[in-house]
Amino acid sequence: DTEVTQTPKHLVMGMTNKKSLKCEQHMGHRAMYWYKQKAKKPPELMFVYSYEKLSINESVPSRFSPECPNSSLLNLHLHALQPEDSALYLCASSHYPGPYNEQFFGPGTRLTVL
Amino acid sequence: KQEVTQIPAALSVPEGENLVLNCSFTDSAIYNLQWFRQDPGKGLTSLLLIQSSQREQTSGRLNASLDKSSGRSTLYIAASQPGDSATYLCAVTHAGGTSYGKLTFGQGTILTVHP
Repeated sequence: DTEVTQTPKHLVMGMTNKKSLKCEQHMGHRAMYWYKQKAKKPPELMFVYSYEKLSINESVPSRFSPECPNSSLLNLHLHALQPEDSALYLCASSHYPGPYNEQFFGPGTRLTVL
Repeated sequence: KQEVTQIPAALSVPEGENLVLNCSFTDSAIYNLQWFRQDPGKGLTSLLLIQSSQREQTSGRLNASLDKSSGRSTLYIAASQPGDSATYLCAVTHAGGTSYGKLTFGQGTILTVHP
């Protein structure tokens, strides 16, 4: 298995809802990432997990809560989001954390907040 | 602060042409540079990774070069095909501070190859 999978593909939620995004990889990678991409903009890093521990939080609002239950799985819990949070959310992984490692991306979850 | 710029922002070419996409970065203290392809509404596909000690990488019709000292990279696509139409993003990984290993992306080049 040489890919990063993300579910769901699309998600529509209201501002009072709680939902979660899921990311999985079975390549034995020990670093996983969440990125946010607005339309016609490049991806922006949100969180980095290294060996299942949160190592980087790019000052993301607390309404986004990441979780890494095991080395293959990464979740992003969403609560009380705003319409401006609508975006494509991308998950990525790399063999190890740190700057020398190629990052592999999933197909993304298209999130719409009403 | 690292800034990555891609030129041109958009490019339209007829099928069969060889073309060059440009990427420049302001801080030469990078570890590597990655080129990605993104189809509309989809995720990113990694095309090539060049470590800072390397000058170029090749994969099929793609060749990427890196001149770290001048802060430039080019992606060369030979014999372009309509299936190459996509947005091409370059990203650099730099060290230091709280963003160790963070990818900084350029704005992308939108490529259209018409039959």
